[in-house]
Amino acid sequence: DVKVTQSSRYLVKRTGEKVFLECVQDMDHENMFWYRQDPGLGLRLIYFSYDVKMKEKGDIPEGYSVSREKKERFSLILESASTNQTSMYLCASSLTSAAGELFFGEGSRLTVL
Amino acid sequence: AQSVTQPDIHITVSEGASLELRCNYSYGATPYLFWYVQSPGQGLQLLLKYFSGDTLVQGIKGFEAEFKRSQSSFNLRKPSVHWSDAAEYFCAVGDNFNKFYFGSGTKLNVKP
Repeated sequence: DVKVTQSSRYLVKRTGEKVFLECVQDMDHENMFWYRQDPGLGLRLIYFSYDVKMKEKGDIPEGYSVSREKKERFSLILESASTNQTSMYLCASSLTSAAGELFFGEGSRLTVL
Repeated sequence: AQSVTQPDIHITVSEGASLELRCNYSYGATPYLFWYVQSPGQGLQLLLKYFSGDTLVQGIKGFEAEFKRSQSSFNLRKPSVHWSDAAEYFCAVGDNFNKFYFGSGTKLNVKP
C-alpha cells in the first residue's frame, strides 16, 4: 500500500514564526502536492512538484514556499506564519500517468496564534 | 477554466436509505473523475474513479457513480447507507497535466 506520511498531525505556532510541514511518500511517485483545506472551500492547491527540485505554483501560493530535495520528500514552508494560515494542510502524491489518482496523508492541522 | 460543483453542503439520510450525492464539473476535454471520502480528522481516501469506458463505475464500500457527459455530472450513489458512511465526500476532476480540481465537499450525516 502507498503510504504518505505527514510528520506532524497538530501544530500550534505564533504569528511570525517559520513553520515547516514535512511529507514523505514511500511508493516512488513522481508527483507530490500540498493542499489547504478549509470548511466550505474544499481543497485548494498550494504547490505541486513533478520531479526533484521542480515545483509549480498552485492556486494559492502566496505566503508559502516548498522544497523537494529528494523524490520521496516534499516540504511546505511558511516563512512568517499568519493567523489566516490556520488551516488543515494535506499532502498527496501520484504517478505521472495521466491523472493518476492522488494518495493522501492524514493531514496536519496548523493553528497560528 | 476547470471547476467542480457539489451543490449540497450537508445531507442527512436515515440508515438503510438510499443516497445520491451530486457533482457537476466544467472541463473542456474528456475528464478524469474521482470521488474521495474523508472521515473526521483523516486524509482523503479514494472511493472510485472514471477514466473511460463503462459510464457506471463501482467503487469500494458499496458505492457507485455514473458519468453523464450530456449533463456534465458524476453523481455518487449507494443503495443502502450504513452509519459508518457518515463522512465528508469530495468530487474531483483530473486533467492531462496531473492537476486535480476539487469540489467544496458534501457532509453526510446518517440518522439511526
